[in-house]
Amino acid sequence: DAGITQSPRHKVTETGTPVTLRCHQTENHRYMYWYRQDPGHGLRLIHYSYGVKDTDKGEVSDGYSVSRSKTEDFLLTLESATSSQTSVYFCAITAGGLSYEQYFGPGTRLTVT
Amino acid sequence: GQSLEQPSEVTAVEGAIVQINCTYQTSGFYGLSWYQQHDGGAPTFLSYNALDGLEETGRFSSFLSRSDSYGYLLLQELQMKDSASYFCAVRGKNTDKLIFGTGTRLQVFP
Repeated sequence: DAGITQSPRHKVTETGTPVTLRCHQTENHRYMYWYRQDPGHGLRLIHYSYGVKDTDKGEVSDGYSVSRSKTEDFLLTLESATSSQTSVYFCAITAGGLSYEQYFGPGTRLTVT
Repeated sequence: GQSLEQPSEVTAVEGAIVQINCTYQTSGFYGLSWYQQHDGGAPTFLSYNALDGLEETGRFSSFLSRSDSYGYLLLQELQMKDSASYFCAVRGKNTDKLIFGTGTRLQVFP
């Protein structure tokens, strides 16, 4: 067990509301990632972090922001949720600094109505 | 840019052998990874090929050919619990990001 938790696990929200998803790790890993998963698209990277306060964009970053003020927590924020952001969101960390081997959290299922 | 192609679905029967292919186009390349994901679950790491050739881990093997921009995951002695989606992924040079394929859904029948 890689020691990654995500909260909430399920959320239903309305269009236009802000939403924050939390990823928490107990492994003290430097790298953390946020992905979204949609049918037919596999896993797509939203943002990632390579250290406290160090973040970078992924391939689908529009409409999302992130923050990492502590090594163990990586927050994903949807400033104004849209229906197109209905998805399953996964957080991941790397094991041993080797980013080809990532360990994933249990996921958050977000529905925007 | 980088893109990876996989078949969308593969079916097989218990005890059989199945091969899941992954072809990729990438401007730089560190290696090919494979992940397994059961319905409703999170992806889990299966294997990594940094070099050409075959890597074996129990019933699962993974193969890479850099010259052909091609790899595959081979599952032997299939079991019902192998029914899942399988994703290949690449990490390009000078990046800490993985790019995932769209995934192959494997259905194993009794």
